[in-house]
Amino acid sequence: LAKTTQPISMDSYEGQEVNITCSHNNIATNDYITWYQQFPSQGPRFIIQGYKTKVTNEVASLFIPADRKSSTLSLPRVSLSDTAVYYCLVGDRQNTDKLIFGTGTRLQVFP
Amino acid sequence: KAGVTQTPRYLIKTRGQQVTLSCSPISGHRSVSWYQQTPGQGLQFLFEYFSETQRNKGNFPGRFSGRQFSNSRSEMNVSTLELGDSALYLCASSLVGETGKFFGPGTRLTVL
Repeated sequence: LAKTTQPISMDSYEGQEVNITCSHNNIATNDYITWYQQFPSQGPRFIIQGYKTKVTNEVASLFIPADRKSSTLSLPRVSLSDTAVYYCLVGDRQNTDKLIFGTGTRLQVFP
Repeated sequence: KAGVTQTPRYLIKTRGQQVTLSCSPISGHRSVSWYQQTPGQGLQFLFEYFSETQRNKGNFPGRFSGRQFSNSRSEMNVSTLELGDSALYLCASSLVGETGKFFGPGTRLTVL
C-alpha cells in the first residue's frame, strides 16, 4: 500500500475552513484515497473517499489533482467538536486486507 | 442500521492470562479486520477475516489469534498476556471490495 505523509498537527479557530493535505507520491492506478477521523479512545470514523477530482459529502470535501500524488481534505467552518486526529490512507479496493495508518494529523480547534 | 459493536468495552487482566474480544460487524458486512492502537505505535493491523477465513495477518506474535463465524461475527484471542498488550483493540467491518471501513468503539485492554 502506498505510503502517505501528512502534517503532524494543525491549529484552527471555530468557523474557519481547514485544509489538510496528504502526499502519496507512489499511489497506484487502482488505489483510492480514504480519510478517517478519530477522537480519543474511539475507533476511527470514515469521512470520505475518492479516486480523482473532487468528492463532496455532508461532512467534508476531498480534492484530488490530476496526478493524484496528493489529496486535500477540506473541512468547512470547523467547530470545537472537529478536534481530532485525521488519517489519510490509500489502497486498492481489491486488496483492502490491511489498511496502513500513518501518524495522522492532529487538528486542534480553538474557540 | 446498527454500527460495529465490540464487547467488552473495558477489560483488566493480569500478565499470563488470556483474553477473548468479540466483534459484531455491520449487517451485510462480511469483511472484519482487527487493529491494535497504542500511544507509541499508533494503529497497527492485526488480521483480517472474510468468510471465516483469515486473509491477511500483520506482524504480531502467534499469541494473537482470531476467527470468524458463519454470521460474520469475529473474535480475537490473546494468550499469555504481556504488559505491552495493553491497548485499544479496534474491530472494523466493510463490504467486500470497499476500502471504506467502519470501526467499532474498541475494547480497552489493560494488563497489570
